[in-house]
Amino acid sequence: GIQVEQSPPDLILQEGANSTLRCNFSDSVNNLQWFHQNPWGQLINLFYIPSGTKQNGRLSATTVATERYSLLYISSSQTTDSGVYFCAVVRAAGNKLTFGGGTRVLVKP
Amino acid sequence: SAVISQKPSRDICQRGTSLTIQCQVDSQVTMMFWYRQQPGQSLTLIATANQGSEATYESGFVIDKFPISRPNLTFSTLTVSNMSPEDSSIYLCSTRETGPNTEAFFGQGTRLTVV
Repeated sequence: GIQVEQSPPDLILQEGANSTLRCNFSDSVNNLQWFHQNPWGQLINLFYIPSGTKQNGRLSATTVATERYSLLYISSSQTTDSGVYFCAVVRAAGNKLTFGGGTRVLVKP
Repeated sequence: SAVISQKPSRDICQRGTSLTIQCQVDSQVTMMFWYRQQPGQSLTLIATANQGSEATYESGFVIDKFPISRPNLTFSTLTVSNMSPEDSSIYLCSTRETGPNTEAFFGQGTRLTVV
């Protein structure tokens, strides 16, 4: 099956700092999503981004499908950004969403 | 986008018992998926539930342990049977329309603790 690797596994930030999370995948994909899991376990859709660049407020994401990676940028981080960020992909010609291991982010006030 | 209502949101169960988790979608969807997230881990797909056919289980998951129903295009249940403490996890349902470029949506999750 497809491999999805996220880095770094853990990230500690001071409030107001910027950060970049990376997602590498081992095969061609036709779906890539970024999620934020809050402390209550709920998965929040951040971006559906199989290719290109999108921005939503302080968050933006870029996927370079030909090079098999995606980046999630968090700017001016806030304590509410704490949680686990997951990248998930669907392999081309597949229908299953495969998750990376996640990046655990802690934003300190 | 699909809105998924999942319940219960959390439960504490005795070992040896079973728990049924329900997911209701606000629109008709072809594919529904069930995931397990063990403590501190990522999400792992349990099975794909399609209306009108048997669920398709991933390696390591069996129907006797995780029976799934999909009676119509807006509803599905997952039962965790004969529970042990190792079944303590978050269980999540998800939907995604068929086709190569469609976004997945998740229910709120069920946090299960087996004692």
